[in-house]
Amino acid sequence: AQKVTQAQTEISVVEKEDVTLDCVYETRDTTYYLFWYKQPPSGELVFLIRRNSFDEQNEISGRYSWNFQKSTSSFNFTITASQVVDSAVYFCALGRLGAAGNKLTFGGGTRVLVKP
Amino acid sequence: DTEVTQTPKHLVMGMTNKKSLKCEQHMGHRAMYWYKQKAKKPPELMFVYSYEKLSINESVPSRFSPECPNSSLLNLHLHALQPEDSALYLCASSQEVTGGISTEAFFGQGTRLTVV
Repeated sequence: AQKVTQAQTEISVVEKEDVTLDCVYETRDTTYYLFWYKQPPSGELVFLIRRNSFDEQNEISGRYSWNFQKSTSSFNFTITASQVVDSAVYFCALGRLGAAGNKLTFGGGTRVLVKP
Repeated sequence: DTEVTQTPKHLVMGMTNKKSLKCEQHMGHRAMYWYKQKAKKPPELMFVYSYEKLSINESVPSRFSPECPNSSLLNLHLHALQPEDSALYLCASSQEVTGGISTEAFFGQGTRLTVV
């Protein structure tokens, strides 16, 4: 069975503060994919990043950075110098490799509120 | 064009009505999905179509009937719904490549359904 846990349900920060979102996952698959999605109030899920299980290289993209640690089954996400537009719900997701398509298991989401 | 378009954006229907949700993508993706998202919850997978064939049905009640007329279109036919079916319905698509490599899913903005 696959499971994704986002322990933080809501985080409130003041603009320009850094925000780190935690994600812990469980899977028996040896090959899997991890994702972060952002869901603003408009409802659309916006893809942010995908990580393959065999690629533990961490990444920085602008104000976003990701820390993937297979040994602890964690895939954390940091927003540096947060802005009001970063306010959204952020979902961590686990994807299986399967011929029938990309089945995503989502964590419960973390609501980020950035105050001016 | 990296867009998944869903119509309508909002829908109010009675419990005896029949309605359809529509989803369209022109990215050449061969896997398409329906997800249901209740308020303050993560999306839950309902159906997966792979190469226009239904490949996954997550034990969804028969009052929800999916249809994939061609590789670009995905419909969800609704009949005799209950008030608890009120939710955001999200369509997504993703590209499958040789070897079954999982890729990110692109989501539409969703249809916000209210059953009265």
